[in-house]
Amino acid sequence: GAVVSQHPSRVICKSGTSVKIECRSLDFQATTMFWYRQFPKQSLMLMATSNEGSKATYEQGVEKDKFLINHASLTLSTLTVTSAHPEDSSFYICSATHADLSTDTQYFGPGTRLTVL
Amino acid sequence: GEDVEQSLFLSVREGDSSVINCTYTDSSSTYLYWYKQEPGAGLQLLTYIFSNMDMKQDQRLTVLLNKKDKHLSLRIADTQTGDSAIYFCAESYYGNNRLAFGKGNQVVVIP
Repeated sequence: GAVVSQHPSRVICKSGTSVKIECRSLDFQATTMFWYRQFPKQSLMLMATSNEGSKATYEQGVEKDKFLINHASLTLSTLTVTSAHPEDSSFYICSATHADLSTDTQYFGPGTRLTVL
Repeated sequence: GEDVEQSLFLSVREGDSSVINCTYTDSSSTYLYWYKQEPGAGLQLLTYIFSNMDMKQDQRLTVLLNKKDKHLSLRIADTQTGDSAIYFCAESYYGNNRLAFGKGNQVVVIP
């Protein structure tokens, strides 16, 4: 149980376009979903925390107008990178916490590799 | 504040034990986690320990927590080639489900 999927797994886009990444909890309802980005050989950097039906909470330094997060249901959150630029190229990983568990354990998706040309 | 430190690289022979260490600064953490990341993949939860425990064993994995020194370790017994990965420790706080991650420790298992 506690499987999280992401789609797409890999995307290449031109500079200036927008890219949407989906994060789904497949076999559980997710209280909260998180979006991280990871640069090569580095740790995960939390971008934002999203609760179903409410606005996402962004970490300091993360532009909310550039990284749009929608959390429409207890099993789906989306991250849209708007007007992408080469510096947005990164590995984006989502995670979710299980609504029925008392721990705050986060279950991670497999990640999405974004390359902006 | 949250600050989690990890060493960077460990090479170990197949069949030996591996020990990965992590230190943290915030004593109010509730749970401490170990995650494994294989190349190009997301993070796989390996195990976690509640902050009032000293040790937790789960098959080949043993987690030791020293709250006094704010030190967390993960021991992998009988290390296999499939254990080659980056290992991240992380901590969370009561009432705040955000995680603070260490920088990661790359483990390379030599056949």
